[in-house]
Amino acid sequence: DAKTTQPTSMDCAEGRAANLPCNHSTISGNEYVYWYRQIHSQGPQYIIHGLKNNETNEMASLIITEDRKSSTLILPHATLRDTAVYYCIVSNYKLTFGKGTLLTVNP
Amino acid sequence: DAGITQSPRHKVTETGTPVTLRCHQTENHRYMYWYRQDPGHGLRLIHYSYGVKDTDKGEVSDGYSVSRSKTEDFLLTLESATSSQTSVYFCAISESYRLGDKNIQYFGAGTRLSVL
Repeated sequence: DAKTTQPTSMDCAEGRAANLPCNHSTISGNEYVYWYRQIHSQGPQYIIHGLKNNETNEMASLIITEDRKSSTLILPHATLRDTAVYYCIVSNYKLTFGKGTLLTVNP
Repeated sequence: DAGITQSPRHKVTETGTPVTLRCHQTENHRYMYWYRQDPGHGLRLIHYSYGVKDTDKGEVSDGYSVSRSKTEDFLLTLESATSSQTSVYFCAISESYRLGDKNIQYFGAGTRLSVL
């Protein structure tokens, strides 16, 4: 699986967009980019995934660069309940969770 | 939310005692997984199942056994619990093991196990 690099922590003001970056420069052609999050003491929650194209669902948008070496998860209007650790995972057959980014949404 | 129920949610036990954790799903997904989560290690796969009575080892399977006699239930057993098995255990399910456009792992709420 390709290795991912994420910032350790980020802050965001409530109501603003949160943009979480992920670098995955060794991604191979058949590997997907997955995003999960884990709110304190809860199980990981699936957010979104994509292969090449940008994706959007009710929770977030995923922007993947044309060379697929990096991606950005966008939470369009962050709320306090979005405070969590966000994991970027690149894989085609198993999930490997790294340390992720702790996003803190401030009032 | 995916229909996954883990039981018990919390358990305290003594070293050397057997412990069984249960994962129950209502989604009829073929694949089920057991992970453990510890500070500094993230989530690590213990065992997984790809069908009734079909199971395989993950990266940290020593000291654990699993069973799956029905599609909906996946049991994790610690035959003789040790303090190093104090952890939070998560069950997950997916339609397929090979990730792709329609195959996503959904996680349960977790079981917090303390071995004293």
